Amino acid sequence: DAKTTQPTSMDCAEGRAANLPCNHSTISGNEYVYWYRQIHSQGPQYIIHGLKNNETNEMASLIITEDRKSSTLILPHATLRDTAVYYCISNAGGTSYGKLTFGQGTILTVHP
Amino acid sequence: GAGVSQTPSNKVTEKGKYVELRCDPISGHTALYWYRQSLGQGPEFLIYFQGTGAADDSGLPNDRFFAVRPEGSVSTLKIQRTERGDSAVYLCASSFLRQNTGELFFGEGSRLTVL
Repeated sequence: DAKTTQPTSMDCAEGRAANLPCNHSTISGNEYVYWYRQIHSQGPQYIIHGLKNNETNEMASLIITEDRKSSTLILPHATLRDTAVYYCISNAGGTSYGKLTFGQGTILTVHP
Repeated sequence: GAGVSQTPSNKVTEKGKYVELRCDPISGHTALYWYRQSLGQGPEFLIYFQGTGAADDSGLPNDRFFAVRPEGSVSTLKIQRTERGDSAVYLCASSFLRQNTGELFFGEGSRLTVL
């Protein structure tokens, strides 16, 4: 799986959009980009994943650049409950799609 | 609820003792995963089961660690001769393996402290 690089921490005001970047410049053509988050003292929670196209679900949007070397997770209206560590992960899918390589992630703090 | 359940939530033991950690996956999920998370780090993959068999155990750190899933549902992670460095949160996750991508559902973890 390709290495991903994320900022160590970010801040966001409540009600504003949180845009979390991720670099994955060595990603190969069959690797997906996954995002998980982990709220303090809980297990990781799946957010979204994508291959080439932008994706949106009830939690977030995922914007992947055309060259697939970077992506941005967007939480459109951040709340205090969105304060968590956000992990960007690349994974080739197939039978090993659950074998995820978590990095250090981005600590997102949403403040009032 | 109907999520992944892990017991115990906290376990304190002494160096050299044997420990078992249990995971009850979501009903019907065929795939089960164990991860370990040390303080300040992201989770690290340990082992993955598809049904009853261990499909990939490449993340187990050494032969003191062993996991079973005898009936394809509940799994037990076993640690022999525990060491202080084994202290961590042990996370279990499950999923449907019906497609080649998808989400893992994680439990809240078992926090192991080895004194």
